[in-house]
Amino acid sequence: DIQMTQSPSSLSASVGDRVTITCRASQSISRYLNWYQHKPGKAPKLLIYAASDLQSGVPSRFSGGGSGTDFTLTISSLQPDDFAVYYCQHSYRTPPWTFGQGTKVDIK
Amino acid sequence: EVQLVESGGGLVQPGGSLRLSCATSEFTFSNYEMTWVRQAPGKGLEWVSYISGGGDSMYYADSVKGRFTISRDNAKNSLFLQMNSLRAEDTGVYFCARAYTVTWGFDYWGQGTLVTVSS
Repeated sequence: DIQMTQSPSSLSASVGDRVTITCRASQSISRYLNWYQHKPGKAPKLLIYAASDLQSGVPSRFSGGGSGTDFTLTISSLQPDDFAVYYCQHSYRTPPWTFGQGTKVDIK
Repeated sequence: EVQLVESGGGLVQPGGSLRLSCATSEFTFSNYEMTWVRQAPGKGLEWVSYISGGGDSMYYADSVKGRFTISRDNAKNSLFLQMNSLRAEDTGVYFCARAYTVTWGFDYWGQGTLVTVSS
């Protein structure tokens, strides 16, 4: 099974900060990497698919990059609505389509 | 607006069974692959099970294989998860989600239903 490792596990940032979260796969997954935002009591939200494609309706301050084993999610200017937990997930070939352990973004 | 609404969660004793449902609307259900994802208390997201649009292909996480069965009724736009031989470690919120194709991620999710396995 492919393991997904995110870093950091948590971070504190201020409104307007640039934030970058990394995700590493245990083997190459090409660009089969998705990013989700999850707030307590809410449905998770797809932000980025295929490593860098912005899901419809997602603000352009979110961007994704990488290929192979190393990927990033960047928020160019953190907004109050962005405080949440972020997960990467691979969608390469066959399941299990594992998630990373999550990165909690909270207010500094 | 696309909607996915889970139901069927609750408190069950270890070894017991539950059947979760996911009612969907405002999209052509049979065109979409469907999945269940869960979140244990204080933990992250864990992929649980997948079913193809036609219902002819299913996959399971090792942690639930042989105990859980995913199914769908395309005429009723509904997804199901039959959970047997439940364990304490199955406790959590269960989400249903859709994907046009899994490779593009799960683009709509329900709000989840809570399953508690405890004596």
